[in-house]
Parts: sequence; C-alpha cells; structure tokens
Amino acid sequence: DGGITQSPKYLFRKEGQNVTLSCEQNLNHDAMYWYRQDPGQGLRLIYYSQIVNDFQKGDIAEGYSVSREKKESFPLTVTSAQKNPTAFYLCASSSTETQYFGPGTRLLVL
Amino acid sequence: RKEVEQDPGPFNVPEGATVAFNCTYSNSASQSFFWYRQDCRKEPKLLMSVYSSGNEDGRFTAQLNRASQYISLLIRDSKLSDSATYLCVVRGSSASKIIFGSGTRLSIRP
Repeated sequence: DGGITQSPKYLFRKEGQNVTLSCEQNLNHDAMYWYRQDPGQGLRLIYYSQIVNDFQKGDIAEGYSVSREKKESFPLTVTSAQKNPTAFYLCASSSTETQYFGPGTRLLVL
Repeated sequence: RKEVEQDPGPFNVPEGATVAFNCTYSNSASQSFFWYRQDCRKEPKLLMSVYSSGNEDGRFTAQLNRASQYISLLIRDSKLSDSATYLCVVRGSSASKIIFGSGTRLSIRP
C-alpha cells in the first residue's frame, strides 16, 4: 500500500533526553514536512524539505532538528532544548499542492 | 489578526441538517485553498480542494470568494459520520506558506 508511516505511535521522553520520530513515505513525493499540533490549535510547521539533502526551518524550529538523506525518509529529532515537547507530531508529504499526512506520533514527557 | 481564522464551534446539529462553515484568510496573495477533515486523535485527511468556480463532491460544496478573502464549506443532509473537526488550509507561493486554521468542531446528533 502506498502511504506515509510514522513511528512510534506513542513516545515518552525523559528530562534532558533527545528522541527521534520516524517518518517514511513510499509515494515518491519530493516534499516532506513536520508539524506540531497542540490541543485545540492548528498545525504549526516545524521543518520542511523540498528535495533530498535540503531542508528549511518552519515557524517553530527551535529545539528540533531533521535530516533528509533519502527521498523516502524525514526523521525529526526533538532535542533537550525543546522545553515543552508534549504534543501530537504529524509528518506530511506532497508532490504538488496537496499534502498527505501520516498517522502521527504523540510525544509525552515523563 | 491570525492569517487563517475559523469559528472554533462546536456546531451541534441534528442528523439531516445542512451546516456551513466559513474561513477567512488575511494574505490576498494566497494561491490554493483546501478543506481537511480531522477525526479525534487522528491525522488530517483531505476533504476537498477549493476552486474559484466552486466545487461539489456529493453532499459537500466548497466555495472561494477572493474579493472578500474567505472560503466556505457546506454539508447537506449531514450524517453522524460527519462529526469531526474541519480544518481550513491556505497555501501561498512556497512550501513554508501553508497555513492551517485551528479547525471547526462539528457534532451531529441523532
């Protein structure tokens, strides 16, 4: 099946720990995105990548890092510098204008 | 003023009713417009794109008014399964200019 997968579904982070969220797509899309969604709020863009080996900061990039070594993969690392990481993290990809989303990862702080 | 504004609701309507949502945007240079549906604790899914001429997909009709800078979504003969949050999405000229509204919650009662 073609689509976007994210893992894990739930992730727990300890104080001072870096954690990495996985995002993989087999849609052959060039562009990939990471969003954060907090309760009752819209999606906010963390990072995006329009092509392999290139990525750009979004509106709330501080405390996060990404890599784009392969077209299919766009992992997001939540670093210890992100002081309020509890949120629903959504990965998306697109080939033209329309974005398609993965099922999301819920990150909780212990 | 937010770049994309939606009435958060909730809209609570009986099954079979017609319900309409509006969404306003501030950037007159915006190029593409979409409605997404998001179920509780799930990822957003594309409902429909919005074109200047208006477009219809079954019970759903979307319209764009560029002069007044708003888009609308009309749902006719609402079903229980229509209960969800509806997100308005506005896209500018670049990947970083995809702005999500906070969503309008719709609840259909039997």
